[in-house]
Amino acid sequence: NAGVTQTPKFRILKIGQSMTLQCAQDMNHNYMYWYRQDPGMGLKLIYYSVGAGITDKGEVPNGYNVSRSTTEDFPLRLELAAPSQTSVYFCASSSTWGTSGTAYEQYFGPGTRLTVT
Amino acid sequence: KQEVTQIPAALSVPEGENLVLNCSFTDSAIYNLQWFRQDPGKGLTSLLLIQSSQREQTSGRLNASLDKSSGRSTLYIAASQPGDSATYLCAPFMDSNYQLIWGAGTKLIIKP
Repeated sequence: NAGVTQTPKFRILKIGQSMTLQCAQDMNHNYMYWYRQDPGMGLKLIYYSVGAGITDKGEVPNGYNVSRSTTEDFPLRLELAAPSQTSVYFCASSSTWGTSGTAYEQYFGPGTRLTVT
Repeated sequence: KQEVTQIPAALSVPEGENLVLNCSFTDSAIYNLQWFRQDPGKGLTSLLLIQSSQREQTSGRLNASLDKSSGRSTLYIAASQPGDSATYLCAPFMDSNYQLIWGAGTKLIIKP
């Protein structure tokens, strides 16, 4: 299993450009999450999904959009990029079931480092 | 609103010491609590998950305890090694909205 994969690893955007960060998981997890992590700070939840076709806002959703058409994929769309969106973006997934009490244990991708200039 | 505090923010100790990292949270209505490790420029690796009904969980040299009623969790690292150098994050998972709430982490440096 590849686990959670994210592309690209790095990206530089100009102000006002748009892009999509890709996230995929092959663990058949129903929950998926997008976080951002600013330098020296904790993670903040942007959006999450509890299953295909169902998404909801987290703590910092402004400037982002998501969709979940399949169980495996959860892309994050940035429209009109701004310098405040310079951050490292992490995708994660979890399942609502698990052996030995591991339900809701989150697994993370390697992250996408985004710079907006 | 759940708030998570990790103390200390940074810790530098010589190799071989046993050490304790602290995590406190304000809302005890949690489903579980996870401890993660983050290496510089890397993603997060799950170390231990403690269910709300458990008191502690062990994996190798790591032991995590949970006192849900007092809003505290500790991560104990035995016989520390330079390879343990990383930032350690704790995150309770909330019953109310099925989300992890994050502390800012403890940056640990183990000196050879």
